[in-house]
Amino acid sequence: ETGVTQTPRHLVMGMTNKKSLKCEQHLGHNAMYWYKQSAKKPLELMFVYSLEERVENNSVPSRFSPECPNSSHLFLHLHTLQPEDSALYLCASSHYGGLSPYEQYFGPGTRLTVT
Amino acid sequence: AQKVTQAQTEISVVEKEDVTLDCVYETRDTTYYLFWYKQPPSGELVFLIRRNSFDEQNEISGRYSWNFQKSTSSFNFTITASQVVDSAVYFCALSEPHGSSYKLIFGSGTRLLVRP
Repeated sequence: ETGVTQTPRHLVMGMTNKKSLKCEQHLGHNAMYWYKQSAKKPLELMFVYSLEERVENNSVPSRFSPECPNSSHLFLHLHTLQPEDSALYLCASSHYGGLSPYEQYFGPGTRLTVT
Repeated sequence: AQKVTQAQTEISVVEKEDVTLDCVYETRDTTYYLFWYKQPPSGELVFLIRRNSFDEQNEISGRYSWNFQKSTSSFNFTITASQVVDSAVYFCALSEPHGSSYKLIFGSGTRLLVRP
């Protein structure tokens, strides 16, 4: 496989469920990102892992918990979500290093519906 | 604060027309980077271009061209002879240092519909 892959592509879960989103990048990058895209808001950065350091967006509720076991894999663990958490969750990766930001490459996203 | 404005929510053109998507940004940084991404109906954002603030030369790639005007804080994107496959949502983004990495500040996107 090439690029950035995400599984599952679609997920429906109840508010009491626990689920995880998975992202894998095959580009040799060392930074990975989670974004949320909803109908009402532009792309919102949720979490960044760069050189295995987590840089957290403080506005993300604790019901979202990221995990980055290595530079190629990124997870987003979900628990006790709310209906307003329904959105497209996008994973991205990029090189990190030097003085300039590199372009990010995105996966196809997981369409999450919370019922 | 960093901000990216894409004032055009939706644009509809007929195939073969030229179309320009506007992007205006705000930043206090002297060095920054601008990006354009395309999001087709499949959902995946596709990287189109990265431009740094020191390079004001316009760029052309096939039917795509970009006009960077630092004086007006704009980074507009033109598609020449549009095609139905160009139908997508286009996002302009601005880089911002974030911890030991960077984050991208995205505009709200412009939905382009190219009709046959």
